[in-house]
Amino acid sequence: AQKITQTQPGMFVQEKEAVTLDCTYDTSDQSYGLFWYKQPSSGEMIFLIYQGSYDEQNATEGRYSLNFQKARKSANLVISASQLGDSAMYFCSGVTGGGNKLTFGTGTQLKVEL
Amino acid sequence: KAGVTQTPRYLIKTRGQQVTLSCSPISGHRSVSWYQQTPGQGLQFLFEYFSETQRNKGNFPGRFSGRQFSNSRSEMNVSTLELGDSALYLCASSRGRDRGRGDTQYFGPGTRLTVL
Repeated sequence: AQKITQTQPGMFVQEKEAVTLDCTYDTSDQSYGLFWYKQPSSGEMIFLIYQGSYDEQNATEGRYSLNFQKARKSANLVISASQLGDSAMYFCSGVTGGGNKLTFGTGTQLKVEL
Repeated sequence: KAGVTQTPRYLIKTRGQQVTLSCSPISGHRSVSWYQQTPGQGLQFLFEYFSETQRNKGNFPGRFSGRQFSNSRSEMNVSTLELGDSALYLCASSRGRDRGRGDTQYFGPGTRLTVL
C-alpha cells in the first residue's frame, strides 16, 4: 500500500517565476513509481513526469523537473518559468510493484498571475 | 496517435437506474484502468483490466463492474445508482507490459455522471 500526501491546497505564483509543489509518499515497497499529473478545469488528467524508485537522477521533462529525495520520501514537482496556462490542479500519484493501481494525493491548485 | 476516448462525456441518471460508460484506449495499449473522482473522496481506483481479465480491484461495492473486449476497449457498469455515485469517471490506458513502476497511464477526458 502507498500513501501520497500533498500539504499545499493552493499556491500562487507570478508568471515567469519558478514554483515548487510538494509531495511526500509513504511505502514499504522498494520498487515504486511516482507520477505527476495536471488537471485543468476541463477535467482531463495530463501526464507530466515520472520518477522510478531506482532512478538515480531526477526526472526532467521540458519545464517540469522532479526533485526526488528518497531518504526523505519526497517527490516535489518544480515548474520553471510559469505560464498562465499552468493554472490547474496538480496531483502527485504513486504505484507500487503490485500493478497499475495509482494512489493519488489530494492535489494542489496552482494559480499563475500576471 | 489518438488519445484515450470516453463516451459519453456527460450523463444524467436517476437513482436506481444503471449506467454503462465506455473507454477506448490508445492504440497498442492493453491495460485499462478506471478511477472515480469526487470532491469529498478525491481520486479513487476502481479496477484495472489487462487482456480481458480484471487484474486489480479497488474498494468499491459490487454494483461497480467492468469488462474489457479483445480490442482492449473497456466498459464500466454501475447498477442501482445512488446519489453518491455522482462523480467524474476517468479511464486511463497504458501498455501494461511493465507492471507498476514505469507503466505510465494516460487519461481520457472523463465522463461526468450526475445522479438525481
